[in-house]
Amino acid sequence: GNSVTQMEGPVTLSEEAFLTINCTYTATGYPSLFWYVQYPGEGLQLLLKATKADDKGSNKGFEATYRKETTSFHLEKGSVQVSDSAVYFCALRGYGQNFVFGPGTRLSVLP
Amino acid sequence: GAVVSQHPSWVICKSGTSVKIECRSLDFQATTMFWYRQFPKQSLMLMATSNEGSKATYEQGVEKDKFLINHASLTLSTLTVTSAHPEDSSFYICSAKGGGWNEQFFGPGTRLTVL
Repeated sequence: GNSVTQMEGPVTLSEEAFLTINCTYTATGYPSLFWYVQYPGEGLQLLLKATKADDKGSNKGFEATYRKETTSFHLEKGSVQVSDSAVYFCALRGYGQNFVFGPGTRLSVLP
Repeated sequence: GAVVSQHPSWVICKSGTSVKIECRSLDFQATTMFWYRQFPKQSLMLMATSNEGSKATYEQGVEKDKFLINHASLTLSTLTVTSAHPEDSSFYICSAKGGGWNEQFFGPGTRLTVL
C-alpha cells in the first residue's frame, strides 16, 4: 500500500537558518503530494501541494518539488522564523483515495 | 478560510464509560467528514469516512461498534467512543470537505485519556 516516510524530529534551528525536512513516499500510480503544518493548539493547515511530477509547491517561503525519480517531496525554506515552529506533516493522496500521512516532524526555531 | 472546530479539546474519563467528541464545520457545509486517530509520534490514521445522512464507512481494523460515528447534519459529525479503555487513549482529529472545495479542512483535535 501507499506510505510516507519523514525524517524524525525534533528539528531545532536558529532563526534565519536553512530548513530541509525530508519526505519520501511509496505509491502506485501518480499521487498528489502535500505538506500540512500544525501550529500549537490548532488544526492541520495545508501549506503547499503538488499534483504531478516536477511540480513545485510554494507558500510562505516554503517550497517542495515533486520528484518522481526519487519518490521525494522534501520541504525547504531559506530562512526560518520563530513563528515557523510547528509540526510538519508530509502526505499523499492517490486519485479517488484517502490521505496517507507521514508521522510528522516537529520544528523548533530559536531566536 | 474554512474553519473546523472540535469539542472538547481534551477529555479524561474512567474506563468503561463512553465519550462523545463533536466536529463542526463553522462556515461551510461539510458533505463529507473524516475521523483520524493519532498515536504519539505516529501518523494520522484514517478511522472512518462519513457522508451526511448516511452510514459511516470504516477502515479495516476499526471497530464500528466501539467507535460510533454520526453525521446527522451538514455541519456536525460526532464520534462516540463506547466503553472506553486505556488503549483508546489517543489524539482524535476530524476533517471536513465540502462547500465546493476539493480540500479537506482539519479540526484542532481532541486528546482523550482513559484512566
